[in-house]
Amino acid sequence: QIQLVESGGGVVQPGGSLRLSCEVSGFTFRTFDMHWVRQAPGKGLEWVAVTSGEGYIKIYADSVKDRFAISRDNSKNTLYLQMNSLRGEDTAVYYCARDLTIGAPDYLEYWGQGTLVTVSS
Amino acid sequence: EIVLTQSPGTLSLSPGETVTLSCRASQSISSRYVAWYQQKPGQAPRLLIYDASSRAAGIPDRFSGSGSGTDFTLTISRLDPEDSALYYCQQYGGSPLLTFGGGTKVEIK
Repeated sequence: QIQLVESGGGVVQPGGSLRLSCEVSGFTFRTFDMHWVRQAPGKGLEWVAVTSGEGYIKIYADSVKDRFAISRDNSKNTLYLQMNSLRGEDTAVYYCARDLTIGAPDYLEYWGQGTLVTVSS
Repeated sequence: EIVLTQSPGTLSLSPGETVTLSCRASQSISSRYVAWYQQKPGQAPRLLIYDASSRAAGIPDRFSGSGSGTDFTLTISRLDPEDSALYYCQQYGGSPLLTFGGGTKVEIK
């Protein structure tokens, strides 16, 4: 059974930092690209970042480039999102998600339950 | 940047009806790299359709996708109250790498 479990969300002040984690099980983690997608309260979905299976390729949305860093530890079956210089507009539920298949194109078949990040003073 | 525009914003229908949701891209999407997702309140999205017309595992054949170029559609036939949800389209391969449409809310009376 494939599971993705996010953690690390919470309340942080503007300009602060937070690291999200996504622990996975039920599949060979290192063979799949992994993504972060966020959803602001009452809003639609926004793709944030992707990392390739071995972590060599990382691509970001413009809105988070140079502030967020995606990484993975394949020995721990865990995906991370380091978020720095947080802004109010980063307030959202953050989902980790796994690709449908190995390689392109990227469709998101498995999702975690999400973790809420609130940026507020 | 590829922008996906979904229409209509909200639909209200009766059980048993058929509905077609639209997703229009600001520029042509190569190789029909479009997916559709269903999201219910408080839940993560669920992949329904990928490659514009392929159903994901476990998705009933009441859900079908079509389209090419800039115009894509999701059709849901024989609507069930369980189909009440938000539906999002997604493209792959443009800039940014993945983008989602704004969503269509489907309400089943």
